[in-house]
Amino acid sequence: ETGVTQSPTHLIKTRGQQVTLRCSSQSGHNTVSWYQQALGQGPQFIFQYYREEENGRGNFPPRFSGLQFPNYSSELNVNALELDDSALYLCASSTQGNRNSPLHFGNGTRLTVT
Amino acid sequence: GESVGLHLPTLSVQEGDNSIINCAYSNSASDYFIWYKQESGKGPQFIIDIRSNMDKRQGQRVTVLLNKTVKHLSLQIAATQPGDSAVYFCAENSNNQGGKLIFGQGTELSVKP
Repeated sequence: ETGVTQSPTHLIKTRGQQVTLRCSSQSGHNTVSWYQQALGQGPQFIFQYYREEENGRGNFPPRFSGLQFPNYSSELNVNALELDDSALYLCASSTQGNRNSPLHFGNGTRLTVT
Repeated sequence: GESVGLHLPTLSVQEGDNSIINCAYSNSASDYFIWYKQESGKGPQFIIDIRSNMDKRQGQRVTVLLNKTVKHLSLQIAATQPGDSAVYFCAENSNNQGGKLIFGQGTELSVKP
């Protein structure tokens, strides 16, 4: 069974730039969620994708957007990067869009905005 | 507003002792709870979950207790080992939150040999 994989593992961008982070879900999982984890904090929900559509969104501005592909992989796009966007971005997958199943996380992408 | 919080930000235990990590939640509509372990440089790793129709669930060396009356959740680790050293997060979900898990700040567990 292949777990959740994310790429790249680390990334450095300049304020104002755009970034795309990628995630492959765990085998058999059809739902992908994205979380932002600031240093020393718990993960914060960005949004979730199920059947290629956004299925819930947290308190993040529209410059955070996402996609889910037919193979259930996903992208997180962030436009007009700000210094406060520096964080660990975590992707998690689960089954059937069912909120009552545990999320399985990847190891994240560490984004640094300078 | 809703929140999930931890009573102790750090916990230091002796190897072989039992550990108890506590968590308080404020959303009475929460009906699903998960404990995660996060090691340095890695993503959160699922440990155990519990639904609100239960008050106790056991796994391998871990037990989760849920007290809905006082909105309290705890994770007990038996015979704590050095490999248990990590940050532990509780998270909750409720029907009115869709797919959103709300995480607490985390408790850092340090196991002394």
